[in-house]
Amino acid sequence: GEDVEQSLFLSVREGDSSVINCTYTDSSSTYLYWYKQEPGAGLQLLTYIFSNMDMKQDQRLTVLLNKKDKHLSLRIADTQTGDSAIYFCAETAFTGGGNKLTFGTGTQLKVEL
Amino acid sequence: NAGVTQTPKFQVLKTGQSMTLQCAQDMNHNSMYWYRQDPGMGLRLIYYSASEGTTDKGEVPNGYNVSRLNKREFSLRLESAAPSQTSVYFCASTSPGGELFFGEGSRLTVL
Repeated sequence: GEDVEQSLFLSVREGDSSVINCTYTDSSSTYLYWYKQEPGAGLQLLTYIFSNMDMKQDQRLTVLLNKKDKHLSLRIADTQTGDSAIYFCAETAFTGGGNKLTFGTGTQLKVEL
Repeated sequence: NAGVTQTPKFQVLKTGQSMTLQCAQDMNHNSMYWYRQDPGMGLRLIYYSASEGTTDKGEVPNGYNVSRLNKREFSLRLESAAPSQTSVYFCASTSPGGELFFGEGSRLTVL
């Protein structure tokens, strides 16, 4: 079945860039997502990229997709303390049976002053 | 907008007890989902409902049942709770564009 992997922890200093990495196995993935989860809350969609794109930029967020290596990354520029959260990578291949996402384990981002 | 609403937010059960987690969305979405979140394992799909009147098993359906009561509501039932079902449960629904909207989660502890 599909598998999505992420490292569990990342620590950065405020103002630095953060890069969160993700690898997936499903070559039929059509959309790849980044979700953010703050403590005690549900997940919120940060950004997504369609599988025929290499890069997507949205303000401080840059998503890079290497489809050949099945590698997805999320770069957060000028990381702030408010960016401290768990970040989940997810992928889906639309099958007509609902948008079933496969999530990674999540990366806990800690931003230090 | 309320979005996706789950109840209860917290619950403690003894092994063997039953309970139902309720979920409702007011966004007129067709598809709804139940996930569980465990440390180091991300979110795993328990059951989903692609549309009103249909339900299908996800990755970890054992020990659970679901009911898609109508377009708005999708409930998750534990008939005989086990300690392995201690987790945080998230209900979600999908917009036509494919974005998942999550509830705030229900933290369940089974003693």
